[in-house]
Amino acid sequence: DVKVTQSSRYLVKRTGEKVFLECVQDMDHENMFWYRQDPGLGLRLIYFSYDVKMKEKGDIPEGYSVSREKKERFSLILESASTNQTSMYLCASSDFQGARGNTIYFGEGSWLTVV
Amino acid sequence: LAKTTQPISMDSYEGQEVNITCSHNNIATNDYITWYQQFPSQGPRFIIQGYKTKVTNEVASLFIPADRKSSTLSLPRVSLSDTAVYYCLVGDPRGTHGSGNTGKLIFGQGTTLQVKP
Repeated sequence: DVKVTQSSRYLVKRTGEKVFLECVQDMDHENMFWYRQDPGLGLRLIYFSYDVKMKEKGDIPEGYSVSREKKERFSLILESASTNQTSMYLCASSDFQGARGNTIYFGEGSWLTVV
Repeated sequence: LAKTTQPISMDSYEGQEVNITCSHNNIATNDYITWYQQFPSQGPRFIIQGYKTKVTNEVASLFIPADRKSSTLSLPRVSLSDTAVYYCLVGDPRGTHGSGNTGKLIFGQGTTLQVKP
């Protein structure tokens, strides 16, 4: 089975801190994603990456950056955490399967509280 | 990317068949329809994916009419453990490999299914 592992399940950080959320997938997938999920807003795409060192902005990239130095690892960075970034963050990965399409595999989520 | 519309919530009882319909009027030729299930405090999990007609797996069936402007997820004989949020997504999961448009799928608000005893 595909496994997407997020390093931290629950975090509490102070306003202004730099926050790193790490994600590792073990299926050699090319695509990786970071979403955030908030009540009433569903899942919103922050950034995605389709190759090492490649990244694309999603719908809400402001206040975030990402890093993909290795194929299996995709990091989300909050340069200066703010209270409105309190949320559940979901990492996901998928592979390109040509005409068969693909599916996205999600991690368990990281609950971040910024105080 | 095609926008989807699905009911915000549905109630059912154990043992019943549940059908959740999703509208996607501006679906594109290359778009697939994918459904995910999400339990509280967990990431979404893939249920089923289809392009046209009917797809069935061990978990659910997906019905897609000829015009592909809607789709229906069918869950046979639901149990309490099927209580979850169900998301319908429409998009081209293949994208254009290496272009930056690979598999960018947009989630809507989903349908919260509550199964009662």
